[in-house]
This record gives sequence, structure tokens and C-alpha cells, in this order.
Amino acid sequence: DIQMTQSPSTLSASVGDRVTITCRASQSIISWLAWYQQKPGKGPNLLIYKASTLESGVPSRFSGSGSGTEFTLTISSLQPDDFATYYCQQYYSNSWTFGQGTKVEIK
Amino acid sequence: QVQLVQSGAEVRKPGASVKVSCKASGYTFTTYYIHWVRQAPGQGLEWVGMINPDGGETTYAQKVQGRVLLTGDTSTSTLYMELSSLRSDDTALYYCARGRTHMVTTPFGYWGQGTLVTVSS
Repeated sequence: DIQMTQSPSTLSASVGDRVTITCRASQSIISWLAWYQQKPGKGPNLLIYKASTLESGVPSRFSGSGSGTEFTLTISSLQPDDFATYYCQQYYSNSWTFGQGTKVEIK
Repeated sequence: QVQLVQSGAEVRKPGASVKVSCKASGYTFTTYYIHWVRQAPGQGLEWVGMINPDGGETTYAQKVQGRVLLTGDTSTSTLYMELSSLRSDDTALYYCARGRTHMVTTPFGYWGQGTLVTVSS
């Protein structure tokens, strides 16, 4: 299986901060990478797919980049609604795998 | 609108089986793959398996292979996940999720509300 490794595991930030989360794949997944946001007690919500395409309805402060094995999710100006846990997911192989998650906390 | 509505929480003893349902609506049932994903308490997301409702083809994660069975009923637009020989580490919130597009290579655009399965003696 393709392993996905996110960093950091936890991130403390303030409203207005620029935040970057990194996701590394154990082998090339080209651009078949998605990012999800999950809030406590809720299911995940798709933010970005194909590494950099914003899902409909997702605020433009979210952006994704990367290809091959290294990817990033950036929040340009952190808003109160953004404090949540973020997961990357590869869908290149027929064994979909997720990163372990990055919790974005209030500083 | 697309909706995936799952059955309620279940409690089972170790060694027992559980069957969770996921009723789909708002789209053509046979057009989109359905995945099952679980999340142990306080932990991350783990893919369990996938079913093509059009024909019933399945793919399972190695970790649960041999203990999980995914099925679908086109007459009721309902998907099922049955997990047998339950262990304490199967305790988790189980989600069904639909592909964003009808392709296999697609992320998960819609999620059910989750079903908590607790395995305890």
C-alpha cells in the first residue's frame, strides 16, 4: 500500500496566519491527491482534489500544490471556522490511503 | 441532493458480526462507487473497502480482507457492510462515502453521517 505521511501532526496558529500542511507519499501518485477538513463529530469534507483543484463552494483562501510524492495545503489567512483536522488522501492506487491528520489549533 | 443515510449505532461482543447499512438517494445508484471508511476513537481515517453498485465488484483493504463483505441492493438503493469475527480494535465510527465522480480514480465527495460500532465484552 502507498503510505501517506503528514506534517506537522498538530499546528497552533492565530486568526489571520498563513498555514501550510505537508503530505508525502511513499511513491509517486502523480496528482491523485485530495485534502479533507474534518470538524469534531462530523464527517470529512472534501476541500481540494487532483492536488490543486478547489472543490465547489470551498473558500479561495484554501489552495493545494505539488505532484509526484510531495504536496502542500495552504490556508492563506486562517479564519475561526478553519480550526479543524485536515487529512490528505491518495486515490492513485486501488487501496485508498489517508495521512494521519493535522490538527489546526488556536494559538 | 445527494444523501447517504446510515443505520444506527451497534454494540457487539468480540467474535460476533455486525451489518451496517447506507441508503443512497439523490443520484443514479448504479453510477457511482461507494467506499467504506472507518475512524477509531480519536484516530485518523482508514479505508475499509469499495463496491461498484453496478455489478457488485468489490475491493477490500488488506487489514480486513476475509472478515468484511460489501454488498448492495439496487431495488432499495442501499449498501451494506458486514464485518465478522469482531475484535476490540474494530471499534470505530464507520462511514460510507460516494465518489466525487463516476470514475474509480476519484476522491470522496459525499459522506454518510457515520455509524458507531462498539466491540466490547
